[in-house]
Amino acid sequence: DADVTQTPRNRITKTGKRIMLECSQTKGHDRMYWYRQDPGLGLRLIYYSFDVKDINKGEISDGYSVSRQAQAKFSLSLESAIPNQTALYFCATSAPGDRADNEQFFGPGTRLTVL
Amino acid sequence: AQKVTQAQTEISVVEKEDVTLDCVYETRDTTYYLFWYKQPPSGELVFLIRRNSFDEQNEISGRYSWNFQKSTSSFNFTITASQVVDSAVYFCALSEADNFGNEKLTFGTGTRLTIIP
Repeated sequence: DADVTQTPRNRITKTGKRIMLECSQTKGHDRMYWYRQDPGLGLRLIYYSFDVKDINKGEISDGYSVSRQAQAKFSLSLESAIPNQTALYFCATSAPGDRADNEQFFGPGTRLTVL
Repeated sequence: AQKVTQAQTEISVVEKEDVTLDCVYETRDTTYYLFWYKQPPSGELVFLIRRNSFDEQNEISGRYSWNFQKSTSSFNFTITASQVVDSAVYFCALSEADNFGNEKLTFGTGTRLTIIP
């Protein structure tokens, strides 16, 4: 079974709808991240959380919110989706500790299309 | 602020040729990590290598090799005797601490590699 899972894997929605993307992990990691990938722009960090009580904005947090329900779960919400939020979204996890442990493990991605 | 530049947007080579993917980074930290990830057509991200800033020794793993040069702030990736299965988008990434000591990973824009049979 996959260590980092994302649901849904694909979603098509309409402008103005509220959307939640979910991420779950079985790696026991404290740190979780949400990225979006756009063609030609690579991956950009939306939000990250270093433990259940810690939420931090990333490079492009406007229009998004997150919830860290438990160590293993980190959800990304689009309160009112707009077409330029059409992208591939990745969740990732990493272990805390010294910098030798900061490899991030990625989920399979969620392809979101906003019409 | 940290920055990763992958100037090669797309590369195509004929199968069995060698190919080098370039990565240049900018950072103010003396301690940092560099990564390469592979994204095949199926879309997932596959970790390839991590290198810390104090280890400039080149690394070879099968047909893959990495050349890290601090003097030029580069971390280039070479595939020897390329195969069709190497066709993917490859991302270089840099990890360093922000002002609060938290690790943040910055990705380059990726290089799309196509291996022509």
